[in-house]
Amino acid sequence: KAGVTQTPRYLIKTRGQQVTLSCSPISGHRSVSWYQQTPGQGLQFLFEYFSETQRNKGNFPGRFSGRQFSNSRSEMNVSTLELGDSALYLCASSLYSGGGEAFFGQGTRLTVV
Amino acid sequence: AQTVTQSQPEMSVQEAETVTLSCTYDTSESDYYLFWYKQPPSRQMILVIRQEAYKQQNATENRFSVNFQKAAKSFSLKISDSQLGDAAMYFCALLNANTGNQFYFGTGTSLTVIP
Repeated sequence: KAGVTQTPRYLIKTRGQQVTLSCSPISGHRSVSWYQQTPGQGLQFLFEYFSETQRNKGNFPGRFSGRQFSNSRSEMNVSTLELGDSALYLCASSLYSGGGEAFFGQGTRLTVV
Repeated sequence: AQTVTQSQPEMSVQEAETVTLSCTYDTSESDYYLFWYKQPPSRQMILVIRQEAYKQQNATENRFSVNFQKAAKSFSLKISDSQLGDAAMYFCALLNANTGNQFYFGTGTSLTVIP
């Protein structure tokens, strides 16, 4: 069974640009949630999508958005990148929303210069 | 508000010995789950153990076990017979059943295993 796949693994972007990250969950899983990991703030929840609907959202500015497709793959978009957006972005895949085991991808390392 | 506190930024253990990582949490919800995740240098978060709050019995997974003290809101992880491959950052996490898959993570404990 394939795990959670995040692409790309590494990205370097310039301040002001936008970026799209992709997450393919485990086959059959309908929930995808996104997290930002930084040395200063630790792991912070961005948002969760379940069956193509945003289930809940963390405390991040509107520059951070996401969506989920009918095959459960999810994308996360960050517009007008700032230096502080440099982080490891992790996505987690779950069979259902709330309480089940979450399986994480290897993350996308975003560097904003 | 939901909070997870890990008061030990770093811990070390001799190979084959036992180590306990501490975690305390706070939630106003009655239906929640607690987790320990391991993050090795590869950066992939790996589930170590999961505990349902309604279960009094402590979860166990091979060499890993927890001490879940619900009244004290404490959830410690015990690693027995430590191995070199156990070296990683360990995160304690809280998930409320009614808010989807929104994990609240602690700040992590970096575990070093000494050969």
